[in-house]
Amino acid sequence: DAGVIQSPRHEVTEMGQEVTLRCKPISGHDYLFWYRQTMMRGLELLIYFNNNVPIDDSGMPEDRFSAKMPNASFSTLKIQPSEPRDSAVYFCASSYQDSLANYGYTFGSGTRLTVV
Amino acid sequence: AQSVTQPDIHITVSEGASLELRCNYSYGATPYLFWYVQSPGQGLQLLLKYFSGDTLVQGIKGFEAEFKRSQSSFNLRKPSVHWSDAAEYFCAVGASGGSYIPTFGRGTSLIVHP
Repeated sequence: DAGVIQSPRHEVTEMGQEVTLRCKPISGHDYLFWYRQTMMRGLELLIYFNNNVPIDDSGMPEDRFSAKMPNASFSTLKIQPSEPRDSAVYFCASSYQDSLANYGYTFGSGTRLTVV
Repeated sequence: AQSVTQPDIHITVSEGASLELRCNYSYGATPYLFWYVQSPGQGLQLLLKYFSGDTLVQGIKGFEAEFKRSQSSFNLRKPSVHWSDAAEYFCAVGASGGSYIPTFGRGTSLIVHP
């Protein structure tokens, strides 16, 4: 099992550009989560999906952020247009219902986004 | 809604010394409690969890944590710290009556001196 795979590992972009972060969850997991980590705000839940359906997107900071999960093996988090304050590490995590209660999440290694 | 507080931003210990990282939670019922560790440049890894039963839970890498309902605490301990334990540690609380989606604390950075 390759774990949760995120790409790219690092992204540097100019303000105003579109940024797309990608995540491949563990096969068989039916929950997928997107988190953002910053020094100022810690680890924030942005959105999570169950069976590819967005369940709670109340953590998405504003309309510039959008997330999709077109199938069980792929999800994207898009920022358009990007701003310097979006600079952070973005984590994807996956789990399955029983595992949430027993094993918690499996996190990816994150994407470090820098917007200049 | 649940919340969790980790009062210590940084903790510095000498290698071989004992460790205790503090975590206090707020939740109206019996919570699900977790400790995660994050090594530099990595995602979070589950160390241990508490759902019910024995209030002293054992985890990986020699860590343990004790649930104290009266103090709303779930402190993480290790009797002898190794240099490789230097990392960021996160406490998280989940709603037992809901979807278990945990809320994370701000984290405690552990620094280990040789």
